[in-house]
Amino acid sequence: QKEVEQDPGPLSVPEGAIVSLNCTYSNSAFQYFMWYRQYSRKGPELLMYTYSSGNKEDGRFTAQVDKSSKYISLFIRDSQPSDSATYLCAMSAGNQFYFGTGTSLTVIP
Amino acid sequence: NAGVMQNPRHLVRRRGQEARLRCSPMKGHSHVYWYRQLPEEGLKFMVYLQKENIIDESGMPKERFSAEFPKEGPSILRIQQVVRGDSAAYFCASSPTYHPDTEAFFGQGTRLTVV
Repeated sequence: QKEVEQDPGPLSVPEGAIVSLNCTYSNSAFQYFMWYRQYSRKGPELLMYTYSSGNKEDGRFTAQVDKSSKYISLFIRDSQPSDSATYLCAMSAGNQFYFGTGTSLTVIP
Repeated sequence: NAGVMQNPRHLVRRRGQEARLRCSPMKGHSHVYWYRQLPEEGLKFMVYLQKENIIDESGMPKERFSAEFPKEGPSILRIQQVVRGDSAAYFCASSPTYHPDTEAFFGQGTRLTVV
């Protein structure tokens, strides 16, 4: 079983839609949870960084962590074509990150 | 404040040659992490270094791969006698202190192609 599971998609939504991206994990020791956005042939760009359970909001982005279910989510409100990218979840308990394989998102104008 | 700088962006090597990948962390960052991204796979941890020290190399292949972060200059990931399976994107990240206490920021990556 992989440490982190993420549906690769692809996911295609119309502009203005609410997007929900999700990851599950197996290691209950994970305490730090991150979402990165990666455009084609670019490096991962940090979007959200949360510690332990709960919600965190930043503009159109909301990250949720449910440690009891080992499930994390990223919501994107009012999605824009510029949000089209691959979204990677990552989590850690120590100095190593464990990444999901990424979900490819396309927002159609 | 420039971000994490990696060079070269693209590197082509013939089988058996050596590949040297460079990573200059963000200003004020003394912690560097190297990750490898294979097609259709997520990023996989390779090594974590502080200045002049390797802290965790549990993700590094035992042979042909080495990393350093000298007191002066960039961090170097070195792959000796490259093989086709080494073709991947190699990313480094840096943080000011120990992660995960602080966020880590990634560079644009070096895409290594072994022919």
